[in-house]
Amino acid sequence: KAGVTQTPRYLIKTRGQQVTLSCSPISGHRSVSWYQQTPGQGLQFLFEYFSETQRNKGNFPGRFSGRQFSNSRSEMNVSTLELGDSALYLCASTPGPSQGNTEAFFGQGTRLTVV
Amino acid sequence: AQTVTQSQPEMSVQEAETVTLSCTYDTSESDYYLFWYKQPPSRQMILVIRQEAYKQQNATENRFSVNFQKAAKSFSLKISDSQLGDAAMYFCAYRRGVETSGSRLTFGEGTQLTVNP
Repeated sequence: KAGVTQTPRYLIKTRGQQVTLSCSPISGHRSVSWYQQTPGQGLQFLFEYFSETQRNKGNFPGRFSGRQFSNSRSEMNVSTLELGDSALYLCASTPGPSQGNTEAFFGQGTRLTVV
Repeated sequence: AQTVTQSQPEMSVQEAETVTLSCTYDTSESDYYLFWYKQPPSRQMILVIRQEAYKQQNATENRFSVNFQKAAKSFSLKISDSQLGDAAMYFCAYRRGVETSGSRLTFGEGTQLTVNP
């Protein structure tokens, strides 16, 4: 079974630009969560999608958005990039409610650098 | 809101020795899950061990075991017979137990473990 795939692995963007990151969950998993990891703030939850609907949202500005497609693949978008958005963005997939398995499987992350 | 605290930013251990990483959490809920994740330099988060709050028995996975003290809200990780490959950042994480609440994980600050040969 293939793992969680995140693309791209590395990205360099300029302040003010926007960026889209992609996450393909494990086959059969319907829930996708996104996390931002920085040295100063640690791991922070961005949002979670299940069945194409946002189920949970963290405390991030509206510049951070996401969506999920019918095949469970998810994208997150950051508009008007700021230097502070430089981080490792991690995606995690879980089967979803009532699937009996609470373990979250993580992708290798996308390293975003804003210059 | 739930919080997770790891008070040891760095720990070191000699190869083949035992080390314990500490984690405390705060929650008003009775149904939840606790996890230890390992993040090596590759940055891939790997699940080490998990504990269901309703289980009194401490979870064990090979050389890894936990000491779960529900009343004290403490969840420490013991690594026995430490190996060089155990060197990584270790994160303690909390997840609510109610299925409808989603899969959101709350992480601690992390403990960087160094294994000395």
